[in-house]
Amino acid sequence: DIQMTQSPSSLSASVGDRVTITCRASQSISSYLNWYQQKPGKAPKLLIYAASSLQSGVPSRFSGSGSGTDFTLTISSLQPEDFATYHCQESYSTPFTFGPGTKVDIK
Amino acid sequence: QVTLKESGPVLVKPTETLTLTCTVSGFSLSNPRMGVSWIRQPPGKALEWLAHIFSNDEKSYSTSLKSRLTISKDTSKSQVVLTMTNMDPVDTATYYCARTDSGSYYPSDYWGQGTLVTVSS
Repeated sequence: DIQMTQSPSSLSASVGDRVTITCRASQSISSYLNWYQQKPGKAPKLLIYAASSLQSGVPSRFSGSGSGTDFTLTISSLQPEDFATYHCQESYSTPFTFGPGTKVDIK
Repeated sequence: QVTLKESGPVLVKPTETLTLTCTVSGFSLSNPRMGVSWIRQPPGKALEWLAHIFSNDEKSYSTSLKSRLTISKDTSKSQVVLTMTNMDPVDTATYYCARTDSGSYYPSDYWGQGTLVTVSS
């Protein structure tokens, strides 16, 4: 199975900050990497698929990059509604493993 | 619009078998691109991918849970069923079903609201 790690596990940031979250795969997964946002008590929401493609309806302040084993999710200017937990997921080979998550909270 | 809804018991006893149903609307389970995945999340913990099924009946399972899981679909009823045998308290979690698109790198683009299953005697 492919293992996924994320860093940091949590971070504190202010509205307007630029935030970057990293996801690393234990082997190359090409661009088969998805990012989800999850708020407390809610289902995850797809933000980015295929490493860098923005899901329809997702604000353009969210962007994804990377290929192979190293990926990043960037929020260019953090908004109040962005405080949440962010999960990466590989979809290169089953089982489609999720990362442990990164919690973004208010500084 | 696309919706998914999970249903099943909220409480199961240890050693029992859990059966969860995902009822979908807004897309067909016979669509060659679309599948349905099951994902769970223990309270306060990370998401865990469990299984998926596609229209051609292709199925995949979590490596660690494979011996306990069965996924199936009834296209006429727009339902996907997940069974998990020999339930244990560590299986207490919110269980989600999600639509998965094989045509664009397999993201899960629509999710159900989730159903919390507690395993306790």
